Amino acid sequence: GQNIDQPTEMTATEGAIVQINCTYQTSGFNGLFWYQQHAGEAPTFLSYNVLDGLEEKGRFSSFLSRSKGYSYLLLKELQMKDSASYLCAVRDGNYQLIWGAGTKLIIKP
Amino acid sequence: IAGITQAPTSQILAAGRRMTLRCTQDMRHNAMYWYRQDLGLGLRLIHYSNTAGTTGKGEVPDGYSVSRANTDDFPLTLASAVPSQTSVYFCATAREGDGTDTQYFGPGTRLTVL
Repeated sequence: GQNIDQPTEMTATEGAIVQINCTYQTSGFNGLFWYQQHAGEAPTFLSYNVLDGLEEKGRFSSFLSRSKGYSYLLLKELQMKDSASYLCAVRDGNYQLIWGAGTKLIIKP
Repeated sequence: IAGITQAPTSQILAAGRRMTLRCTQDMRHNAMYWYRQDLGLGLRLIHYSNTAGTTGKGEVPDGYSVSRANTDDFPLTLASAVPSQTSVYFCATAREGDGTDTQYFGPGTRLTVL
């Protein structure tokens, strides 16, 4: 079967750096997405990786290793507003999106 | 309208009742999707439409139906609601219907079936 694994919850301190990991096993691979979802709101697109390596976008970076079935989202200079769930999703060989259950990130002052 | 709208925002429904959740977009995106989100689970695809006039079944289609009469609207109907359909429902769109584009989400409808 197809599977996306992420930690359920993480805690970090304001101003620090946090890395949220995502591992996947899918039938084929056509890209990996990260979305941010604040409580009670819709998921919003953060990043997309289809080739190996690091994609940087301001305070957020996303890394992909296709051979290892692994990605991470790196958040720098954490702010209180970064408290949210972070969803990893993989587009499989049929171009269907498979979603992880999300990682709830709690930022403490 | 700006982007994707969903209605109602929330609803409490008696089991056995019929309910239609509405989704409207003004981005002229070809593809539209309905997901449900339950605690501890990833988003699960209910139905999708790659372009106006076509629909398809997702991972959890039972008990739900959709139609896509035009580009902008993609209503989701629960013919006879059951408590297991209590969930948050998100509509999403993508520019192309071939699965290659990023999906964008509406604000969601929180549905409680008693």
